[in-house]
Amino acid sequence: SQTIHQWPATLVQPVGSPLSLECTVEGTSNPNLYWYRQAAGRGLQLLFYSVGIGQISSEVPQNLSASRPQDRQFILSSKKLLLSDSGFYLCAWSPTTHNEKLFFGSGTQLSVL
Amino acid sequence: EDQVTQSPEALRLQEGESSSLNCSYTVSGLRGLFWYRQDPGKGPEFLFTLYSAGEEKEKERLKATLTKKESFLHITAPKPEDSATYLCAVTNSGNTPLVFGKGTRLSVIA
Repeated sequence: SQTIHQWPATLVQPVGSPLSLECTVEGTSNPNLYWYRQAAGRGLQLLFYSVGIGQISSEVPQNLSASRPQDRQFILSSKKLLLSDSGFYLCAWSPTTHNEKLFFGSGTQLSVL
Repeated sequence: EDQVTQSPEALRLQEGESSSLNCSYTVSGLRGLFWYRQDPGKGPEFLFTLYSAGEEKEKERLKATLTKKESFLHITAPKPEDSATYLCAVTNSGNTPLVFGKGTRLSVIA
């Protein structure tokens, strides 16, 4: 069976510090991978998605970036965090097309102070 | 641009009091409509996929229905453990990622 791992669960970072969130999927190959952010009252906002190694699509211009160094690994990064980067970050995967249901990780609560 | 609007934003029910959550959508060629449940501090958990108008899916006390413009999530005789945020999402006939609504926060009081 497939599983998705996301860490850390919570993170408190000062403004201007770097960020690295990691997500890995087990039990499947060549998944589509996604990073979402969920802020209070704003719903799920798609940040990045990837259909293969090294292929990243950005949905929202911002100071975040994503990378996919291996087939089942997806990393969300920032060189300098802003207060507005606070939120609940979710990694998700789906089979090889976008039109199928997503399976979500447990999320990372990021607080930028 | 695909859009999803969920109502109400929050709903408070007594245990056993049945009700419905609404998900209205505009999409260029609906490919699928998805319902998720999300508990506080956790990732969304998949409930249902609906593909065409008239389709219905059931799971325990939940029943999802679909028309050409909206979907309903009916909750029959809810229990406190049904308290959660329920999210609706759509995908279109093109190869684009899911678009989510803001969710309905359901509280069921014993």
